[in-house]
Amino acid sequence: QQQVKQSPQSLIVQKGGISIINCAYENTAFDYFPWYQQFPGKGPALLIAIRPDVSEKKEGRFTISFNKSAKQFSLHIMDSQPGDSATYFCAASRVNTGFQKLVFGTGTRLLVSP
Amino acid sequence: EAGVAQSPRYKIIEKRQSVAFWCNPISGHATLYWYQQILGQGPKLLIQFQNNGVVDDSQLPKDRFSAERLKGVDSTLKIQPAKLEDSAVYLCASSLEVLAGRTDTQYFGPGTRLTVL
Repeated sequence: QQQVKQSPQSLIVQKGGISIINCAYENTAFDYFPWYQQFPGKGPALLIAIRPDVSEKKEGRFTISFNKSAKQFSLHIMDSQPGDSATYFCAASRVNTGFQKLVFGTGTRLLVSP
Repeated sequence: EAGVAQSPRYKIIEKRQSVAFWCNPISGHATLYWYQQILGQGPKLLIQFQNNGVVDDSQLPKDRFSAERLKGVDSTLKIQPAKLEDSAVYLCASSLEVLAGRTDTQYFGPGTRLTVL
């Protein structure tokens, strides 16, 4: 119930292409879904996040699509660049409980080839 | 604005030895988290503090792990004695005071990479 399943494990995309990473959850009490980006030797950094009252959120080249009925959400990176090469983690938490405990997916290693 | 500071960045110890990690959160952040990130996995929350009180330590192996946050600022995480399976990156994160219904960004430090031989 506390798991967040993420796929694919790794992804290679050509420069300018679209990168898509998918996540699925079971616990319907989750109400906050952030995506974190992590570069080697660094801690994760918040990229974009969504609450379940909207189906899509866009910030620059990054878009989250959220399907509440399917309990799935995905990250789309448009016009992928070599600088986007990193590991991406989806996460979920129950904001309304006040605990903010993030449950992370297993990560997707993205490589954008020049 | 200074980020979350952690030290040391790397530590190699023998199994059954003790080790301690230090974290200094972003100034003004009331909430502090310690995560364990095993290679190839996502971070897993070990313990969450709000000021100097523990909010959640349900996933902390209390027989060997301990953490404290004196004066509600810096925090230390200790492992005693260490096991091979404790090899991981230990991440500290901080956020503003957690309130029900409010989403506060967690800011992560660079982590301490622990290798247990």
